[in-house]
Amino acid sequence: EDQVTQSPEALRLQEGESSSLNCSYTVSGLRGLFWYRQDPGKGPEFLFTLYSAGEEKEKERLKATLTKKESFLHITAPKPEDSATYLCAVRDNAGGTSYGKLTFGQGTILTVHP
Amino acid sequence: NAGVMQNPRHLVRRRGQEARLRCSPMKGHSHVYWYRQLPEEGLKFMVYLQKENIIDESGMPKERFSAEFPKEGPSILRIQQVVRGDSAAYFCASSPSQGLTEAFFGQGTRLTVV
Repeated sequence: EDQVTQSPEALRLQEGESSSLNCSYTVSGLRGLFWYRQDPGKGPEFLFTLYSAGEEKEKERLKATLTKKESFLHITAPKPEDSATYLCAVRDNAGGTSYGKLTFGQGTILTVHP
Repeated sequence: NAGVMQNPRHLVRRRGQEARLRCSPMKGHSHVYWYRQLPEEGLKFMVYLQKENIIDESGMPKERFSAEFPKEGPSILRIQQVVRGDSAAYFCASSPSQGLTEAFFGQGTRLTVV
């Protein structure tokens, strides 16, 4: 069974203080690691998909990286509007190539103070 | 994110009543997934559907829960005889019909059982 563990559970940063969120995973045949952002009362908003170890993707102040066992979401010079819950999820190769079920971690609650 | 439409956004039901949650996928998407987010818990997969077919319902409780995605109209998640433990946010996600790509989530339906 796929497992996803995110750390820390909560992270408080000062505006401009860079940091990283961790996502450790166990999956039989990774077919994608996903990062989502979720604001209170809203649905998850897609950020990145990573498919193979060594892959990196960037979007504004966010950068996601992937190894064979974990992924990091690096936040550079965060702003208060980056405050949200960041979710990591994996998709495995069960069910064939057209199957998209995701297994989520518990999330990291990020708070950025001005 | 706004492309996946869920309604209602909030639903209050008394114990023993039925709850019907609707999801219209993004245009051109024929794969629909339902997830449940219990208070203080992560997103948990419930069911994966394609038009007129249930592909994987391994995350669905065995009783009282059912889902459908008819040829015409939205996908429906139906909960019969609701209990307080069913109170949660229910999210629908959709993905395109071709290959493995990102799943886009709706804003969710928040079910409260009183």
